[in-house]
Amino acid sequence: DGGITQSPKYLFRKEGQNVTLSCEQNLNHDAMYWYRQDPGQGLRLIYYSQIVNDFQKGDIAEGYSVSREKKESFPLTVTSAQKNPTAFYLCASSILGGQAEAFFGQGTRLTVV
Amino acid sequence: GESVGLHLPTLSVQEGDNSIINCAYSNSASDYFIWYKQESGKGPQFIIDIRSNMDKRQGQRVTVLLNKTVKHLSLQIAATQPGDSAVYFCAENQAAGNKLTFGGGTRVLVKP
Repeated sequence: DGGITQSPKYLFRKEGQNVTLSCEQNLNHDAMYWYRQDPGQGLRLIYYSQIVNDFQKGDIAEGYSVSREKKESFPLTVTSAQKNPTAFYLCASSILGGQAEAFFGQGTRLTVV
Repeated sequence: GESVGLHLPTLSVQEGDNSIINCAYSNSASDYFIWYKQESGKGPQFIIDIRSNMDKRQGQRVTVLLNKTVKHLSLQIAATQPGDSAVYFCAENQAAGNKLTFGGGTRVLVKP
């Protein structure tokens, strides 16, 4: 089945460690996104990519990094520079053009211990 | 900065009644709008979309209304059911770009 897959579903990190969240899609979508969601809050854009080997910062990129080496994959690294990383992270993908829905993964819940 | 619906209010509705969820957007260049439903611990799911050349669009039990003059978007759910309990987000985008921006969401609680 076509879709977008995030892994792992739950992730625990010690303070000062970097951690990478996986996002894979087999929908042949060019655009991919990472959002952060805090409890009872909306979605805030971290990074987005419209094409392989290119990506742009969203509204809250500090403390995060991404890569887009393959069309299907858009991993997000939460670095030790991110002071408050505990949150629910959502990955999405869409076709290019701006007038198409984005399909979301099921999210990764990251907790700093 | 530009924003879409910053608040997360809660709407309590009796089962069988109609629900109306509102969203304000501030980017006049936005020309495509989407409503998403998010259940607890899951990713958002697409409900319905509307382009800026339309004022109204209907789906199954849902209707989206767009008022470009006052930059307002609403989602109407007919005959609300317990399965409609979730957080609903509006999102906006522009044909020229791919920066999908979300509002703060509205929590809908359906009372039996």
